[in-house]
Amino acid sequence: DAGITQSPRYKITETGRQVTLMCHQTWSHSYMFWYRQDLGHGLRLIYYSAAADITDKGEVPDGYVVSRSKTENFPLTLESATRSQTSVYFCASSEIRAEQYFGPGTRLTVT
Amino acid sequence: SQQGEEDPQALSIQEGENATMNCSYKTSINNLQWYRQNSGRGLVHLILIRSNEREKHSGRLRVTLDTSKKSSSLLITASRAADTASYFCATLRETSGSRLTFGEGTQLTVNP
Repeated sequence: DAGITQSPRYKITETGRQVTLMCHQTWSHSYMFWYRQDLGHGLRLIYYSAAADITDKGEVPDGYVVSRSKTENFPLTLESATRSQTSVYFCASSEIRAEQYFGPGTRLTVT
Repeated sequence: SQQGEEDPQALSIQEGENATMNCSYKTSINNLQWYRQNSGRGLVHLILIRSNEREKHSGRLRVTLDTSKKSSSLLITASRAADTASYFCATLRETSGSRLTFGEGTQLTVNP
């Protein structure tokens, strides 16, 4: 199916555990992005990637790691989850300076 | 810091009425985009307006951009209950590559 998908859709994990959120897009868009959405903060950029093997920090990168070995995949890893990382995470993709297409989101709870 | 700020934060209207949401920003932009988010869902792109454009239409949506005032507005005409959602403006700065900066959104409620 064409589009952008995220998995899992819901995740509950414990403090200190490593968690990986997956993002896959079928458009071969150059750019991919990870955001978190929290009440009172809107959407904040965590990391983004301009192409395979090119990644850069966004506004709130601490505690997160990304990789992009293939154009279509952009996983986000929380190396040691903390309660402050409880949030809804959105992945998006786009061409250069164009509109972004968002995935359905992953709701992560860290207990 | 947030580049875009939406106004109002919340808006409640009756079906059939028009809804206007405003967005202000601080630095030079390449384009400004509007997105809609239904509760519990991902954001959906509505309209992109470039810095050299002043107005754009898409169906019942009309977006204006005033770069001298660093502001934009989104008008939804003849609103429907299905338009109930959060609406976000996002700016693409000249110096930010393809990164967008989102405002905190306007929550629109359309009452049947």
